[in-house]
Amino acid sequence: EVQLLESGGGLVQPGGSLRLSCAASGFTFSSSGMSWVRQAPGKGLEWVSGIRGTADSTYYADSVKGRFTISRDNSKNTLYLQMNSLSVEDTAIYYCAKGTVHLGDYWGQGTLVTVSS
Amino acid sequence: DVVMTQSPLSLPVTLGQPASISCRSSQSLVHSDGNTYLSWFQQRPGQSPRRLIYKVSDRDSGVPDRFSGSGSGTDFTLKISRVEAEDVGVYYCMQGTHWPRTFGQGTKVEIK
Repeated sequence: EVQLLESGGGLVQPGGSLRLSCAASGFTFSSSGMSWVRQAPGKGLEWVSGIRGTADSTYYADSVKGRFTISRDNSKNTLYLQMNSLSVEDTAIYYCAKGTVHLGDYWGQGTLVTVSS
Repeated sequence: DVVMTQSPLSLPVTLGQPASISCRSSQSLVHSDGNTYLSWFQQRPGQSPRRLIYKVSDRDSGVPDRFSGSGSGTDFTLKISRVEAEDVGVYYCMQGTHWPRTFGQGTKVEIK
């Protein structure tokens, strides 16, 4: 059974940093691209970032480029999102999703990031 | 970036009746490999999104056959043949052809 379990969310002040993790199981993690998708309170889905299975290519939405870094540790079956220079506009539920092209056959339950002073 | 435009944004439907959601992209979604990477997602209240359709018309495992996808190029449609109570939620299209990936604004389906 495929499982994606996000962690690392919480309350952070504007300008602060946070690192999200997504622990994957039930599939060959190193062979799968992975993505982060977020959803601000009461809003729609926004794709944030993606990374290929071999981690040789990474992609970002313009809204986070230069502030967020996606990475992965295939030995630990874990996906990461390092978020720096956070602003209130980054407040959202962050979902980890399997895939980059065939994105979204599996999703995690999400982790809430709240940026507030 | 490719803009995905859904219509309508709100869709009140009667149980047992059909429903249709349109999704238009600002650029062709035909990939250089010949595939068209257009997906549809359902998000029920309080839940994570669930993919229903990928590559325009391929249904994901476990998705009822009352859901169907169609279209080509820049114009796509999700149809529900007979709406059931469990279909209430927000539906999103998403393109996986171009970077960055982009979602439509979402269509809220509710029962009349």
